[in-house]
Order: sequence, then C-alpha cells, then structure tokens
Amino acid sequence: AQSVAQPEDQVNVAEGNPLTVKCTYSVSGNPYLFWYVQYPNRGLQFLLKYITGDNLVKGSYGFEAEFNKSQTSFHLKKPSALVSDSALYFCAVSTPDMRFGAGTRLTVKP
Amino acid sequence: GAGVSQSPSNKVTEKGKDVELRCDPISGHTALYWYRQSLGQGLEFLIYFQGNSAPDKSGLPSDRFSAERTGGSVSTLTIQRTQQEDSAVYLCASSFLAGGAYEQYFGPGTRLTVT
Repeated sequence: AQSVAQPEDQVNVAEGNPLTVKCTYSVSGNPYLFWYVQYPNRGLQFLLKYITGDNLVKGSYGFEAEFNKSQTSFHLKKPSALVSDSALYFCAVSTPDMRFGAGTRLTVKP
Repeated sequence: GAGVSQSPSNKVTEKGKDVELRCDPISGHTALYWYRQSLGQGLEFLIYFQGNSAPDKSGLPSDRFSAERTGGSVSTLTIQRTQQEDSAVYLCASSFLAGGAYEQYFGPGTRLTVT
C-alpha cells in the first residue's frame, strides 16, 4: 500500500535557523508527493508537490522540499525559519486518494 | 467565492441524532474527498468521489456513515445515530481529478460536537 511516514511529532527551531521536517514514503512506481500546512484555526493549504524532474521543489512561503529516491524521502526545508511558520505540517502521497502522514507540529521560537 | 465551502461551520448535536454535513467543491473539480480530524491531529481519510462515483468506501468508520454526491458537485456526509466518538472536525477537499499530480483544496471544515 502507498503510504508516507513523518517520524517526528514535534520539531522546535529558533527563528532564523534552518528547518527540516522529515517525510519518508513507501510507494510502488513513481510517487506523487505533497506537503500541506495547517495554521492554527485555519484549513489545510497546499505548499508544494513533486511529480517528476528536478529533485528540489520550491513552493509557497519560501519552503522547498528535496526528493531523494535512494532514501525514499521527501523532506521539507526552509533556510531561515520565521515565527509565523509555526503550524502543523503534513506530508501526503497521491494514491489516487490522498494519504496523509500523521503530521509534524513545527514551533519556531523568537 | 472560488474556494471549497462547507456547512454548517459548527454543529452541536445530541447523542443518537442524525447529522448531515455539506460540501460545495470548487467549480470544475471532478474529485471530492472527505476527511476527519480529531483535535489538531492527523487526517483520517473517509471517502472520495470521482464524479458521482465513490470507488473506495473503505475509510468510512462504520455503517452509520454514508456519503453521496449528486450532479458531480455538492456532496453530503451523513452520520446516523451519532456517538460521542464522532466528535471531530470534518474536512472536505476537491481537486481537478482524483489522484496523480493534482493537489487538493480544502474547505474550512465542520466542527461536530456530540453531547
């Protein structure tokens, strides 16, 4: 079965430091991978996706994700974290329905 | 309004009552999805529609849950004989097509509280 896993429930970083939110996948064939973000008391928003091609995908709000086939990973990254990035982040795979990871709560402290 | 809309935004009901949740997808989106999220936790997939057909109903938690979609547009999720464990935020999403490279657009959710 197609699935994704987010090994960390919580990630804490200081403002201005780089951040990484981890995601690994288990997919047969070529994966379609996504990142979504849920800000407090707001709906889920699409951040970025990997379909094919360049392994480094750029998305909204300065986020990017690196697709690594050998490590079956699709980690979300940002070079310099902002307090406003604090939110719940979900990795997902398209199967054709969308299967989400358990989510990682990112807290950026001033 | 170009986004996904859901109604009601909040619903409080007594245990044992039936409830209907409504989702209005983005115009032109053929795929529609229902999820359940408990208290800021992960998303539990319930069901999806491609057009008016639901190829996969395996995510529905029990036979008290049902969903339909008519005219390839609006969908309703019905929960019969509600239980306290049904309390959650019910999210709807739509996409141009099911699967593949199409991202989903989410509505604001319906917060269901069963007392």
